[in-house]
Amino acid sequence: NAGVMQNPRHLVRRRGQEARLRCSPMKGHSHVYWYRQLPEEGLKFMVYLQKENIIDESGMPKERFSAEFPKEGPSILRIQQVVRGDSAAYFCASSTGLAVTYEQYFGPGTRLTVT
Amino acid sequence: AQSVTQLDSHVSVSEGTPVLLRCNYSSSYSPSLFWYVQHPNKGLQLLLKYTSAATLVKGINGFEAEFKKSETSFHLTKPSAHMSDAAEYFCVVSDQRIQGAQKLVFGQGTRLTINP
Repeated sequence: NAGVMQNPRHLVRRRGQEARLRCSPMKGHSHVYWYRQLPEEGLKFMVYLQKENIIDESGMPKERFSAEFPKEGPSILRIQQVVRGDSAAYFCASSTGLAVTYEQYFGPGTRLTVT
Repeated sequence: AQSVTQLDSHVSVSEGTPVLLRCNYSSSYSPSLFWYVQHPNKGLQLLLKYTSAATLVKGINGFEAEFKKSETSFHLTKPSAHMSDAAEYFCVVSDQRIQGAQKLVFGQGTRLTINP
């Protein structure tokens, strides 16, 4: 049973470019979470999605950031017009979403560097 | 809102000696609490979780944690450190604002160093 897959593992973008980060949840998981880890900090919640729905995006910056989880294919975190402050590790986690199953399984992360 | 405070940003112990990583939480109701470990340039792995069952929780790799409501603490311990335990450890509380799913709130992390 493959775990949570994220790609690319490393991404370098120049200021002003777009970054697309992909996340494939574990088999059987329909709930996806995105977290951001800035250098020397813990992870911060960004957005929670179910298939074709954004449930909670309270942690997303108001501009330039968007996320989707289409009916088919991976979840995508999109950052438009990247700035140096967007450099961070972005982690995706998935769960079954059932109330009795609390565990979120994390992917290896995508490390974004903005030059 | 839920929050966690990890009391030490860096802990250094000798191999074979006990490990104690401290965590205090703030929650308006009975929380779910977790410890995750992150090895360098790797993802996060769940060590153990507390979800209102037994207050002493045993996890993987010999780690355990005790939930103490009166002290609002959830400290992580291990009787004997191994070199492979060197990593970053995160104490995490779940925010149950969303029905049926958990939004995790992370502490700042504790870097554990093991001296030979």
